[in-house]
Amino acid sequence: GAVVSQHPSWVICKSGTSVKIECRSLDFQATTMFWYRQFPKQSLMLMATSNEGSKATYEQGVEKDKFLINHASLTLSTLTVTSAHPEDSSFYICSGGDNEQFFGPGTRLTVL
Amino acid sequence: GENVEQHPSTLSVQEGDSAVIKCTYSDSASNYFLWYKQELGKGPQLIIDIRSNVGEKKDQRIAVTLNKTAKHFSLHITETQPEDSAVYFCAASIRRNYQLIWGAGTKLIIKP
Repeated sequence: GAVVSQHPSWVICKSGTSVKIECRSLDFQATTMFWYRQFPKQSLMLMATSNEGSKATYEQGVEKDKFLINHASLTLSTLTVTSAHPEDSSFYICSGGDNEQFFGPGTRLTVL
Repeated sequence: GENVEQHPSTLSVQEGDSAVIKCTYSDSASNYFLWYKQELGKGPQLIIDIRSNVGEKKDQRIAVTLNKTAKHFSLHITETQPEDSAVYFCAASIRRNYQLIWGAGTKLIIKP
């Protein structure tokens, strides 16, 4: 199947700083990518749908000014967690694909 | 809104026995049903999927069955092996590559 990579795989940051997570489709072009967050022992929660060349669509309850999404090319979408706080600590996963969704390996964010 | 209920939350089976996980969905417009396997610290991986016009699909030791009338679909794993231990998520969608509605997950433990 197709490959989706994420970088970094884990990051630790101080409260108040911003963190950028990259999601790349390595062998296909993705006009749409999805960003999820997952808390321990819970299911994936869709945060937003990232659309290449246009604004992302955010799910209800997700602050668009806090979770900035940029989908500048057909192979790259980025999620920036601005002014991160400990409650933002989570596992962030992206996915993309044409006929099916391929998931990245996830990024573990820990905010101290 | 649409939701998918998944049971059980934890399933422990003896190695070599079969495991069955069941999901019930609410949106009758759902046409595409998927099962993902997630290992610790990794993103989900699609293991099998089925469209609404098919009642059953099998891939070696893994099978998915769908009952559209009752609005439920199940994952069957036969001859379980230690490497089958993981968290399994079901998901439903109205079409391929569209937003997925996720179940809560089942932790499958294979006892040696």
